[in-house]
Amino acid sequence: AQKITQTQPGMFVQEKEAVTLDCTYDTSDQSYGLFWYKQPSSGEMIFLIYQGSYDEQNATEGRYSLNFQKARKSANLVISASQLGDSAMYFCALSYGNNRLAFGKGNQVVVIP
Amino acid sequence: EAQVTQNPRYLITVTGKKLTVTCSQNMNHEYMSWYRQDPGLGLRQIYYSMNVEVTDKGDVPEGYKVSRKEKRNFPLILESPSPNQTSLYFCASSPGTGGYTDTQYFGPGTRLTVL
Repeated sequence: AQKITQTQPGMFVQEKEAVTLDCTYDTSDQSYGLFWYKQPSSGEMIFLIYQGSYDEQNATEGRYSLNFQKARKSANLVISASQLGDSAMYFCALSYGNNRLAFGKGNQVVVIP
Repeated sequence: EAQVTQNPRYLITVTGKKLTVTCSQNMNHEYMSWYRQDPGLGLRQIYYSMNVEVTDKGDVPEGYKVSRKEKRNFPLILESPSPNQTSLYFCASSPGTGGYTDTQYFGPGTRLTVL
C-alpha cells in the first residue's frame, strides 16, 4: 500500500520569505511519481510540480522547487518569495501503477503581509 | 480552453434519492478518475477508468457506480445516497499514456450534502 505523510500543523509565513512543506512517502514500487497540488480557499486543485522516481535532478517550476531525497523517501516542496496568493492548502501525492494517485492530508499555509 | 467540467457544482439532496454527478473533459484524455475529499483525510480515489468501457475500483468505491461509454464523459452515480457520502467530489483526467508520470487535471469540484 502507498502512504503519504504530511504532518506539519498550519503554517504562517511572512510575505517574501521562503517556506518548506514536508512530505514523506512509503511505497514498495520502484517506479513512481511525486506531485504537489495547491488548493486555495475557492476549492479547485491546481497542479504545481512533478518529480519522477528516476529523475536525478530536483524539479523546479518558477517559484516552486521539489527537494527530492529518494533514500529518505522525502519530497518536500519549497516555495520561494511567498506571496499573499500562496495562502492555500497544499497536497503531496504519489503516483503509482496505472496513474493512480495517493494523497497526503495536506498542509495549510497562510502568508502574512 | 482545455478543461474538466463537473455538474452540478453544489447539490443538496435527501437520503435514498438517486443522483448523478457529470464529468466531462475536452482534452481527449484516456484516463479519468473520481475522488472524494473529506476534512483531515485528503483526497481518496473512488473509481477510475483507463479507457472507454474500462473501469476499476479505487480505495473507497462502496455506494458509488460509474460508467465510461464515451471517452470524454465519466459520470458518478449514487443510487441510494446516505449522509456519510456528504463530501467534496473531484473528477480528474490525464492523457493515460505515461503511466505514473502523467499529470492529472482536476475539475472544479462538486459539493454534495446528503440530509
